[in-house]
Amino acid sequence: DVVMTQSPLSLPVTLGQPASISCKSSQSLVHSDGNTYLNWFQQRPGQSPRRLIYKVSDRDSGAPDRFSGSGSGTDFTLKISGVEAGDIGVYYCMQFTHWPYTFGQGTKVEIK
Amino acid sequence: EEQLVESGGGLVQPGGSLRLSCTASGFTFSTYWMSWVRQAPGKGLEWVANMNQDGSEKYYVDSVKGRFTVSRDNAKNSLYLQMNSLRAEDTAVYYCARVCRSSCPDSWGQGALVTVSS
Repeated sequence: DVVMTQSPLSLPVTLGQPASISCKSSQSLVHSDGNTYLNWFQQRPGQSPRRLIYKVSDRDSGAPDRFSGSGSGTDFTLKISGVEAGDIGVYYCMQFTHWPYTFGQGTKVEIK
Repeated sequence: EEQLVESGGGLVQPGGSLRLSCTASGFTFSTYWMSWVRQAPGKGLEWVANMNQDGSEKYYVDSVKGRFTVSRDNAKNSLYLQMNSLRAEDTAVYYCARVCRSSCPDSWGQGALVTVSS
């Protein structure tokens, strides 16, 4: 199975400041169709997950533009340009290329 | 409005069975792959099973293979998860989800809690 490793696992942030989460996969996430299926999900406390980013850097229609994704191959990053109070929660990267699909351990974003 | 609503969760003894249901509304259920994803208490997310539009393709994570069965009834806009030989480590909130590889918006249910305990 593809192992997804996130860092840091805890991220204290100051409101308005940028934040960055790293995600590394144990093997390339490039699919045979040429796409890289790496998603980022947000899970606010007590809520179901919600996808923010798909295919590494494409933002979902409901995701604020302060969220951006980048990376290739096995190394990926989620950036928040300026953290807002509503961004508090756990963020998961997830690979959608190889079955079984797997998630990272999650990064808890909290206010410093 | 797109909606997924799970039902059927509860307390079951080790070795017992439970069937989860997920009813979809607000979108054309029969045209999407559907999935079950679970989350143990205080833990991360685990993709459990996937099923294609007509039910001819099913995929399971190794930890549930041979014990869990995913199925669907497109006429009833419903997805099911039959869980047999349940273990304590199956205790989790089970989410019904529609997650596409492409730009289609994802949709998640509110989750159904399954507790396996004597």
